[in-house]
Amino acid sequence: DAKTTQPNSMESNEEEPVHLPCNHSTISGTDYIHWYRQLPSQGPEYVIHGLTSNVNNRMASLAIAEDRKSSTLILHRATLRDAAVYYCILRVTNDYKLSFGAGTTVTVRA
Amino acid sequence: GAGVSQSPSNKVTEKGKDVELRCDPISGHTALYWYRQSLGQGLEFLIYFQGNSAPDKSGLPSDRFSAERTGGSVSTLTIQRTQQEDSAVYLCASSTPPRQGLNQPQHFGDGTRLSIL
Repeated sequence: DAKTTQPNSMESNEEEPVHLPCNHSTISGTDYIHWYRQLPSQGPEYVIHGLTSNVNNRMASLAIAEDRKSSTLILHRATLRDAAVYYCILRVTNDYKLSFGAGTTVTVRA
Repeated sequence: GAGVSQSPSNKVTEKGKDVELRCDPISGHTALYWYRQSLGQGLEFLIYFQGNSAPDKSGLPSDRFSAERTGGSVSTLTIQRTQQEDSAVYLCASSTPPRQGLNQPQHFGDGTRLSIL
């Protein structure tokens, strides 16, 4: 299985940007990069996904390195509600199940 | 709109008893997944249903675990003769039919927290 590496934890101040890195050096050409987050006592929530180009949606931005061996999830203005575990997942072609790692625990300080 | 609904939200039972966990997917979602999350661990895939196709049961940890999906909608995960190691949060997710490289987001319920005494 293609693997991802994320820092265990990150801290941010409210209303400041948060940049969450993810390394995926064994990514193959057709693997998509997905991000989910899990708030306390809730199921995971889809955030964003991309293949090669940077992507933006209402929740976040995804910046993908040119060689695709790493990516960064960007929360533009962190709020207290963004405190969660963020998972970077490679969606392997023809594999419908999501393989969650340990993720990055994000703490937002008021 | 209505999301994925799971019931019960919490279940406490004695070792050796059978339990049934229910999942109501989002209307129109033909793909349904079960995962479990043990304390301090990542999510572990259990089983996948897609339409009328045979389910992928490759993640079920033992033959005490089974799942069915009736009428292509509601799903039930059954654990027979529960053991203490079955204690976990059981999460259900659904998505629209797979296409374009299987990138449809999975929408999760909030899970059933199962505790085996």
